[in-house]
Amino acid sequence: DGGITQSPKYLFRKEGQNVTLSCEQNLNHDAMYWYRQDPGQGLRLIYYSQIVNDFQKGDIAEGYSVSREKKESFPLTVTSAQKNPTAFYLCASSPGGINYEQYFGPGTRLTVT
Amino acid sequence: QQPVQSPQAVILREGEDAVINCSSSKALYSVHWYRQKHGEAPVFLMILLKGGEQKGHEKISASFNEKKQQSSLYLTASQLSYSGTYFCGTGSGNTPLVFGKGTRLSVIA
Repeated sequence: DGGITQSPKYLFRKEGQNVTLSCEQNLNHDAMYWYRQDPGQGLRLIYYSQIVNDFQKGDIAEGYSVSREKKESFPLTVTSAQKNPTAFYLCASSPGGINYEQYFGPGTRLTVT
Repeated sequence: QQPVQSPQAVILREGEDAVINCSSSKALYSVHWYRQKHGEAPVFLMILLKGGEQKGHEKISASFNEKKQQSSLYLTASQLSYSGTYFCGTGSGNTPLVFGKGTRLSVIA
């Protein structure tokens, strides 16, 4: 089955620790995205990548880092510099840019205490 | 700039109709619509492109007024399964989509 997987579904960390969220897709899509979702805020773009080995900052990139070494993988690291990391994180992919629909993974709920 | 969705929330009885609006201050090339159920991933509903092209589910209808930079999603004869939060995402030029804050739709029996 084709799709996007994110792991884990729930993640708990202590403040001050870096944590990496996994995102894998087998849809052969070029573009991948990371969004953060907070109650009442909609989906806010953290980073996106349109091609392997290239990525751009979104609207709220501070405190986050990404890599795109393989077409199917786009991991997100939440660093200790992110002041409010507790949120629901969604990964998505699409065949191209704004003309194409995005397919979302099931999300990872990160709680930092 | 984040598009504005209205209403923020709406409650319908089964069989009733609803319209969800999405408005942008920027010239738009595309508008996307997604539905998200609580705790789940958003699911694609429709794309509307400048020039009139549309791609999406047959049972969903929407409009895109390019001059007014607005889009509307029409939900007719609502079913319980329509409940969820609806998001519009707007695209301008080469920049990625920007999503609105969502419209929460509740359909009750």
